[in-house]
Amino acid sequence: EAGVAQSPRYKIIEKRQSVAFWCNPISGHATLYWYQQILGQGPKLLIQFQNNGVVDDSQLPKDRFSAERLKGVDSTLKIQPAKLEDSAVYLCASSFTGTANEAFFGQGTRLTVV
Amino acid sequence: AQSVTQLGSHVSVSEGALVLLRCNYSSSVPPYLFWYVQYPNQGLQLLLKYTTGATLVKGINGFEAEFKKSETSFHLTKPSAHMSDAAEYFCAVQMDSSYKLIFGSGTRLLVRP
Repeated sequence: EAGVAQSPRYKIIEKRQSVAFWCNPISGHATLYWYQQILGQGPKLLIQFQNNGVVDDSQLPKDRFSAERLKGVDSTLKIQPAKLEDSAVYLCASSFTGTANEAFFGQGTRLTVV
Repeated sequence: AQSVTQLGSHVSVSEGALVLLRCNYSSSVPPYLFWYVQYPNQGLQLLLKYTTGATLVKGINGFEAEFKKSETSFHLTKPSAHMSDAAEYFCAVQMDSSYKLIFGSGTRLLVRP
């Protein structure tokens, strides 16, 4: 079974530039999460999709971050413009609908903003 | 809103010793509880989860955790640490009213030879 695919694995950009991350979840998983993991901290939920609808985006800095999930499958997370404090690993995860289902994580994209 | 507290950002044990990683949650109703492990430069992997029923849950790699409602805790244990257990461990909660999966700050486990 293919896992959650994320790209790119690494990205270095200058502050004020824009960047986009892509995630392909496991086939059949209706729930998709984007997390931000700053070095030394736990993953922080940015946005959660159920199919192509947003369930929760209360922690997403909407002035600079945006995310979409077209056709309820792949998802992209964009930052524009990036700030130094956005340097982190961005993790995508997916699961079957409902609670208590295991979330499967991709390897993440490590973003460095200089 | 629910939250998760992991006591101890770093725990160091000798190989063969007991591993105990602490997790407490705050919620008015019992949530679903999870432990995930993260190896360097990898995503997170599920170790075990508690949903309902038996409060002692067994997971992969010899780990287990016990849900204690009276203490709002879900501590992770392993009787004998192995060098390969060195990793970061995250406790997480999920409420029945939503699918939000909220993580604690993590505990890094170091295993000394």
